[in-house]
Formats: sequence, C-alpha cells, structure tokens
Amino acid sequence: AQKITQTQPGMFVQEKEAVTLDCTYDTSDPSYGLFWYKQPSSGEMIFLIYQGSYDQQNATEGRYSLNFQKARKSANLVISASQLGDSAMYFCAMREGLANTGFQKLVFGTGTRLLVSP
Amino acid sequence: DAGITQSPRYKITETGRQVTLMCHQTWSHSYMFWYRQDLGHGLRLIYYSAAADITDKGEVPDGYVVSRSKTENFPLTLESATRSQTSVYFCASIGGDYGYTFGSGTRLTVV
Repeated sequence: AQKITQTQPGMFVQEKEAVTLDCTYDTSDPSYGLFWYKQPSSGEMIFLIYQGSYDQQNATEGRYSLNFQKARKSANLVISASQLGDSAMYFCAMREGLANTGFQKLVFGTGTRLLVSP
Repeated sequence: DAGITQSPRYKITETGRQVTLMCHQTWSHSYMFWYRQDLGHGLRLIYYSAAADITDKGEVPDGYVVSRSKTENFPLTLESATRSQTSVYFCASIGGDYGYTFGSGTRLTVV
C-alpha cells in the first residue's frame, strides 16, 4: 500500500498567488515526521519544511507552511506569494522507523511538478 | 566543504559492466542511505547502513551491492548493470536539524 500519496502530478499557478500541494500519508506508528523537499531542474533535493506528529502547531518556514490535519492524515504544503523560482518538483516524505532499532528511513511520494507562470 | 559528495555526477556504462557509485560524507553520521529516483516512483530506498560494517536492504535492492568499511564512505555497486538501472541515484545521511541531507545525485545511464 502506498504510504505517501501525492495525487497531483502537475500544478500551475500564477506568480504572486498561493498554491497548495496535496499529500496524504498512511502509518500506524504514533511517532512520525513529515517532510517536504523541493527538487529544481538542477536535481538537488532541498529541504523545505518539517512537521512532527506530536507538534501542536502547523510548521511554517518563510513562504512555506504545512497544513497538518492529523485525523485526515494529510500534510499539504502551502506556498504563499509564488515566485518564478518556485517552479520545481516537490516531494512529500514521511519518516518512519523500525521498532527498537532507532532506525528511521524516509518514504517518498511520487512528487508534484509545480509551474509558476508570470 | 562539509556535506555529502557523490561521484561521478554523470556516468554512462554498458549493459553487463560493473559500476560503482561513490558517496562520501564529511561528518560522522551513523546512518547513510542510497535512493534511486525514477519518473512516477519518487525516490525509493535501495540500501541503508546504520554504521560501519552494518548494512541492510531497502525497497529495491536487487542488482546492487553496498559496503561500508569506513563511516564516511558508502559506495553502491551495480554488479552487472542493466538498462532498468538507468536512474538518478541519491546518497543521504541522517544529520542536521531534521535529519536528512542529500548528495547532489549521480545520473547513471546504462546503454
């Protein structure tokens, strides 16, 4: 079963508008973490924002915010005031661990390609 | 510079050849990972390592071999490359504020 689901293969937004990228997840672990990464055309993976499962407030980092709805198991990324440089691939990922090992790996969604137009 | 260095950045190899992708970290992070990125699949875990001489399989390990004789190095070897292994490969380690730092990736083409 897919643990991280990103249902939007592509999204378009005009410059200066806000955009929401969807992410739903599936886990039975009470302790987990959710990440968003940006991958521009140059290929590197850039960390954007993190939300822990026990965090009471939604995470924010500058123009990025994470709309965390635990009961719905969703962790949508909101980008406010889009810029041309925001055009990239965006990946949602979940940190999950193996019991009693302390090991945690990242599981990724398939990504959403965002195109910001002037 | 501190960080994770992957080499080579680009590689073209022939079917059946052995090829090794290198990953080097300048910290002393215990956990290191190899992911492959393919269109429509996101990033999938190939192998991971919890420490020197401790490695284990991830989601898609077939056709790959890893070793970790030193904490800072985590090479990934394709023993007999196949076209299905054409991909972008990322090395990562756990460290930093929220854990995960990625290398710049290696784009491998098997012809």
